[in-house]
This record gives sequence, structure tokens and C-alpha cells, in this order.
Amino acid sequence: NAGVTQTPKFQVLKTGQSMTLQCAQDMNHEYMSWYRQDPGMGLRLIHYSVGAGITDQGEVPNGYNVSRSTTEDFPLRLLSAAPSQTSVYFCASSYSSSGDTQYFGPGTRLTVL
Amino acid sequence: RKEVEQDPGPFNVPEGATVAFNCTYSNSASQSFFWYRQDCRKEPKLLMSVYSSGNEDGRFTAQLNRASQYISLLIRDSKLSDSATYLCAVMDSSYKLIFGSGTRLLVRP
Repeated sequence: NAGVTQTPKFQVLKTGQSMTLQCAQDMNHEYMSWYRQDPGMGLRLIHYSVGAGITDQGEVPNGYNVSRSTTEDFPLRLLSAAPSQTSVYFCASSYSSSGDTQYFGPGTRLTVL
Repeated sequence: RKEVEQDPGPFNVPEGATVAFNCTYSNSASQSFFWYRQDCRKEPKLLMSVYSSGNEDGRFTAQLNRASQYISLLIRDSKLSDSATYLCAVMDSSYKLIFGSGTRLLVRP
């Protein structure tokens, strides 16, 4: 098993550009989520999904879209990048939404100029 | 007010010390509780889940106090390798897993 994979590892964008951060898991996990981590802020939940076809907003959803068309993939879209979106983005998955262990991907470091 | 709050530290302790972290949560409907460990510039990894009756894993003990809405983590006989950031996480009734901002631990020789 590859676990949770994220691409790219690093990305630099200009303000206003759009891009998609990819997240995939091969563990047949139902629950997937996206977090951003900024210095001193801990992990903040952006969007999450309890299963294919179902997504919901987290703590800081503005400026981000997600979809969950398959169990394996949970891409995060930045529609119009802003410098405030400079952060480290982590994708996570767990077997279910019932308090199982979250497995995190290695993160994507995004800089918006 | 954040839903999950932690003292950011850093806690600077000598090897062999016992150190305790607390984490408070505001949503009384929260149903699952966890401690994660994060090393510098790495992804968080589960340290332990926190059960109502309390649980222990080697040198680590986690406790939950629902009445006062906090969870705690006790580390006994600290090792240099315990130096990391410890994140508490709380899952609410709508399946959002919310993290605290983390407590940094430095164990010195």
C-alpha cells in the first residue's frame, strides 16, 4: 500500500492562478479530509468527505472547492489563489468517520506570490 | 474562541522528567478524542486515542474529562526522541475532526 499520496510536494503560484492539489489513498478509506497548517495555527480543517459523492465544509472552506467522485481521490481546488493561501496542505484519510486513526499524506507546500 | 485549545509551550524539560499537556474543547457533543505527534516539517501521526476510562501505552497516559471538557496527555521518563509537537484532536457530532494548535515539547539532555 502506498497509503495517502499527495502531489505536488511543492508549488509556487501567482495571485489569481488556479490549481488542483491531488490526494489519493489506496486503503479503501471512506473518510477523507483536507487541512492547512500555518505557523502557530495548528491544523485547520478545510473540507471533508464521509464517502464518495459526499463533501462538507470545515473550519476554513472559503477559496477552496472539493469533489469526491471516487473513494480513492479527493482533490482540492484553489479557484483564484491569494497570498493568504500560502500554507502547507495535508490530506488525511481514515477507514470511517467513527473516530478511526487518521493517516496523513506528506503534505504540499504552497506559496502564492 | 477556538473549538480546541492547547498551550503552545514550548515545554522544556530534562530527560527523565514527567510532563503533562492539557487540551480543552468547547463542543460538549464531541465524541472522539485523540493525541497526534508531529515532527518538524512532517505529517502528524496518531500517538493514541483517548477513551473515557483513560488509557495507557507504555510511558504515555491519556485521560478524558467530559465534565470539564478537557483531555490530557502525560509522558513519563521523557526521552530526547519525545521532542516534537503534540496535537490534540476532537471529532464532533458532524464528523469534523478539529485539531488544537499544538504544544511543543523540547527534551534536553
